Amino acid sequence: NAGVTQTPKFRVLKTGQSMTLLCAQDMNHEYMYWYRQDPGMGLRLIHYSVGEGTTAKGEVPDGYNVSRLKKQNFLLGLESAAPSQTSVYFCASSYSYYEQYFGPGTRLTVT
Amino acid sequence: TQLLEQSPQFLSIQEGENLTVYCNSSSVFSSLQWYRQEPGEGPVLLVTVVTGGEVKKLKRLTFQFGDARKDSSLHITAAQPGDTGLYLCAGAKTSYDKVIFGPGTSLSVIP
Repeated sequence: NAGVTQTPKFRVLKTGQSMTLLCAQDMNHEYMYWYRQDPGMGLRLIHYSVGEGTTAKGEVPDGYNVSRLKKQNFLLGLESAAPSQTSVYFCASSYSYYEQYFGPGTRLTVT
Repeated sequence: TQLLEQSPQFLSIQEGENLTVYCNSSSVFSSLQWYRQEPGEGPVLLVTVVTGGEVKKLKRLTFQFGDARKDSSLHITAAQPGDTGLYLCAGAKTSYDKVIFGPGTSLSVIP
């Protein structure tokens, strides 16, 4: 089993560009999450999903959109990237709200 | 305001030393998890504690949940360079609540 995978691993965007981060899990988990991790800020929840076709806002949702069309996939979109969105993005999945399994991360730089 | 605080923020020790890191809150949690994150990777779940006063051991790592379920500690015996990483605690107030993460303790074990 691959667990949780994320693509791409690295990306550089210019301000105003858009992109989509893809997260895939093969553990049949209902719950999926997108976090961003910044120095000294810990992991902050952007959006999450409790099942296929559902999404909800987390702590820092502004500037991001998500979709969960298939149970195994959770997409994070940036419509108009800003330098403040430079961060490391982690996807996670779980059976319930806790005991989450994380992907390897995507390092995004917005110039 | 961080609902979960961790101390110390940074810790650098010599191989073979013992150490304890702490996770504290003013709120009661139904469960607490500890994760370890190595540089360039996603967090990996180490343990979940759910009962006040509970102690769990994972080889040289000992985890304790406070009696009042507001705090937790992680003790490492005879630290090794492979223990180097960011240790994150995470908690949920109820089994239906989203997990929140502390800011982490960055541990460096020097050979």
